[in-house]
Amino acid sequence: DAGITQSPRHKVTETGTPVTLRCHQTENHRYMYWYRQDPGHGLRLIHYSYGVKDTDKGEVSDGYSVSRSKTEDFLLTLESATSSQTSVYFCAISSFSEQYFGPGTRLTVT
Amino acid sequence: DAKTTQPNSMESNEEEPVHLPCNHSTISGTDYIHWYRQLPSQGPEYVIHGLTSNVNNRMASLAIAEDRKSSTLILHRATLRDAAVYYCILRDAQETSGSRLTFGEGTQLTVNP
Repeated sequence: DAGITQSPRHKVTETGTPVTLRCHQTENHRYMYWYRQDPGHGLRLIHYSYGVKDTDKGEVSDGYSVSRSKTEDFLLTLESATSSQTSVYFCAISSFSEQYFGPGTRLTVT
Repeated sequence: DAKTTQPNSMESNEEEPVHLPCNHSTISGTDYIHWYRQLPSQGPEYVIHGLTSNVNNRMASLAIAEDRKSSTLILHRATLRDAAVYYCILRDAQETSGSRLTFGEGTQLTVNP
């Protein structure tokens, strides 16, 4: 299995609070991605990174920001969580072709 | 992004072959065909990918039509562990941001004992 972990694995938070999810890799891969998955649907790309301090938006980036200060860590921040951001969040890494996914973080915003 | 079309669901029996179809009639010459699967309560995992020729690996085979407008993922002997959602995804080889993937709804494969 690719060395990719996500923390926390589960989180319940209240509307309006900031939340940060962490993705950590030990593979030294250049590319990292954050996706969200809502029940019964495929994954949707939020943001991605193609190097330290190099990030770009995906298809559903509104309400989210990211940071990558080190190769191994990619942080996803919800500045002010809303109930519509209740979802499962997956981080992925790739060297170029195949992507390897983390175990996911289940976030509930009440 | 070029789109793919897959059946919502398919069923198979254990130890029988499974053929999962995918249509991608608007595929461009630089699009790779990728397959991922997602087991229950897990993140997706890479299965196989190809460009023009058929491909085999330890998990599956990928058969690509000559005109590349469709492809088929073949599981040679389905096991209960193969029950998952299978995603067929096109990835542009000219994409400079790595391997950004656009997931559709996929095919839910049920494997009967």
